Amino acid sequence: HLQLQESGPGLVKPSETLSLTCTISGGSISSNSHYWGWIRQPPGKGLEWIGSIYYSGNTYYSSSLKSRVTISVDTSKSQVSLKVNSVTAADTALYYCARQFSWYYDLYYFDLWGQGTPVTVSS
Amino acid sequence: DVVMTQTPLSLSVTPGQPASISCKSSQSLLHGDGKTYLYWYLQKPGQSPKLLIYEVSNRFSGVPERFSGSGSGTDFTLKISRVEADDVGVYYCMQSVHLPLTFGGGTKVDI
Repeated sequence: HLQLQESGPGLVKPSETLSLTCTISGGSISSNSHYWGWIRQPPGKGLEWIGSIYYSGNTYYSSSLKSRVTISVDTSKSQVSLKVNSVTAADTALYYCARQFSWYYDLYYFDLWGQGTPVTVSS
Repeated sequence: DVVMTQTPLSLSVTPGQPASISCKSSQSLLHGDGKTYLYWYLQKPGQSPKLLIYEVSNRFSGVPERFSGSGSGTDFTLKISRVEADDVGVYYCMQSVHLPLTFGGGTKVDI
């Protein structure tokens, strides 16, 4: 069955770039009916959508993070990547990768989530 | 951005008793195709969120019948007919009609 696994440095210095990877296994990243999303959860807080990407590279971003975020896809490696530039302590969070049902470029629900990877921004 | 407001913030329930969570959106979640894209998730302690309800009232695969969703426009409700110990966690509503996708702040349910 399909699984998602997030990975990346757990500690990033302020002003630097946060880089995470989501590896999809047990299924195809090139699904016609799914996007791949990133969602984050600051400690003790709620969920915030960061953005979602289709296997072709079409991407949607949160308006609040759009200027600092890049999401990319590598179908040969079955990986989706997240980069957040100029990080501050406010970017400290548990970062989730999730599969998102989609149809004709409309985004719907997240039906499968990774376990999440914690990222702390601190010097 | 569409603001999703959940109430209450927390809920202490007795096993076997019903529970209800409200989610209100700042804009209508009725899509032009006639469907309403409002979802409910449960995040159990130490786990990733899991989808319970999609399109207001449809239970996702494997979700027990004690969970039900209702509502329209901007007002939505998740109900648990008889709460079980396994239902503890934080419940989130989410909308996908308007970008950016937004979540409610969460409702913590404990026994």
